[in-house]
Amino acid sequence: GAVVSQHPSRVICKSGTSVKIECRSLDFQATTMFWYRQFPKQSLMLMATSNEGSKATYEQGVEKDKFLINHASLTLSTLTVTSAHPEDSSFYICSASGQGVYSNQPQHFGDGTRLSIL
Amino acid sequence: GQSLEQPSEVTAVEGAIVQINCTYQTSGFYGLSWYQQHDGGAPTFLSYNALDGLEETGRFSSFLSRSDSYGYLLLQELQMKDSASYFCAVRERGFKTIFGAGTRLFVKA
Repeated sequence: GAVVSQHPSRVICKSGTSVKIECRSLDFQATTMFWYRQFPKQSLMLMATSNEGSKATYEQGVEKDKFLINHASLTLSTLTVTSAHPEDSSFYICSASGQGVYSNQPQHFGDGTRLSIL
Repeated sequence: GQSLEQPSEVTAVEGAIVQINCTYQTSGFYGLSWYQQHDGGAPTFLSYNALDGLEETGRFSSFLSRSDSYGYLLLQELQMKDSASYFCAVRERGFKTIFGAGTRLFVKA
């Protein structure tokens, strides 16, 4: 069964709205979660690495004030797209990495959130 | 820097065998993963190689040679439902995973 749950699966909203996406690890404690963005027919681009209890690490070119990440517990990370515009429309996917016996395992992904800004 | 190279497209017929190669250049290598993604869906984990050699899971096998910074995904007895994009991905320092551009596999009858 799924080990990473992502919600919502689809969001359609007006330009200027802020959108929050949740990512939960179901079967393990995720010390680290990753947020990716994928445009149509392109690869997954890592946006940021989210560590529980500390600030997220953003990849080059990703605006930290635009994409707010919070990892308040070992099972939940949230991505908030602030004041979203049509160019932010994309497929956002999270994944989680565990600790202990899970730390050297490959990442498993949530089902993704398709964000459409009108 | 970090980079992964894989073919952009592969076409094969049902029942055939297909190999998708991946070469990588990265720092702090921990392992090579393969993911399948159908249009509109999220990536699905297929296999993971942390050590050299061949890993077999049903119709799919994956190979890694760390000294050559090279791996491949082998798909046997191809079925129409195998038409999808396949991504190789390197797990590196900090355990973050970097993806290749993806290989679009078309399976024809």
